[in-house]
Amino acid sequence: QKEVEQNSGPLSVPEGAIASLNCTYSDRGSQSFFWYRQYSGKSPELIMFIYSNGDKEDGRFTAQLNKASQYVSLLIRDSQPSDSATYLCAVYSGGGADGLTFGKGTHLIIQP
Amino acid sequence: GAVVSQHPSWVICKSGTSVKIECRSLDFQATTMFWYRQFPKQSLMLMATSNEGSKATYEQGVEKDKFLINHASLTLSTLTVTSAHPEDSSFYICSACLGQGPTDTQYFGPGTRLTVL
Repeated sequence: QKEVEQNSGPLSVPEGAIASLNCTYSDRGSQSFFWYRQYSGKSPELIMFIYSNGDKEDGRFTAQLNKASQYVSLLIRDSQPSDSATYLCAVYSGGGADGLTFGKGTHLIIQP
Repeated sequence: GAVVSQHPSWVICKSGTSVKIECRSLDFQATTMFWYRQFPKQSLMLMATSNEGSKATYEQGVEKDKFLINHASLTLSTLTVTSAHPEDSSFYICSACLGQGPTDTQYFGPGTRLTVL
């Protein structure tokens, strides 16, 4: 059973601060890790993906992956109120074109 | 690029009727499409993997006779909820994948909100 765990929150962060979102996964063979943002009533939109250990930066977002600890995180710098959403961690375990296993998401609130 | 559309965006139907949801990749060909379901305050749950020209692969616990999937072309997959009941009310989201590698991104459609009365 593939599991992806996230703290459901809500996580409240002041505007301009760094928001840190965490995710752990159970399948050690997982190959790729995705962060999606989902606004209420909308479908997920991709923020970024990572598949190598270490950090990957894209604008205000940094994804961090530690496969030994089976841990992936997303940092959002200079948080804006528009970043308030639910952030979904998704894991791809390979073996062909399998679907993603999603965590339940972390509800992030950026306080103006 | 990589736009995925769904139709309809919302549907309300009576219990016992069937509902068809279309998923289209607008600017790319998708060998594989995925169907997810999301209940309120829950995460996305993969229902099935749809491959062009072959039968869909269903996740454990998903009834293949109730959720009929057809992937007739490289740009269109359909999900038909047969004999819908109130417990089938949910947000149905499809995604399309450009390739089959571990870093190939899934692009999500806008979702279809189904309400069964």
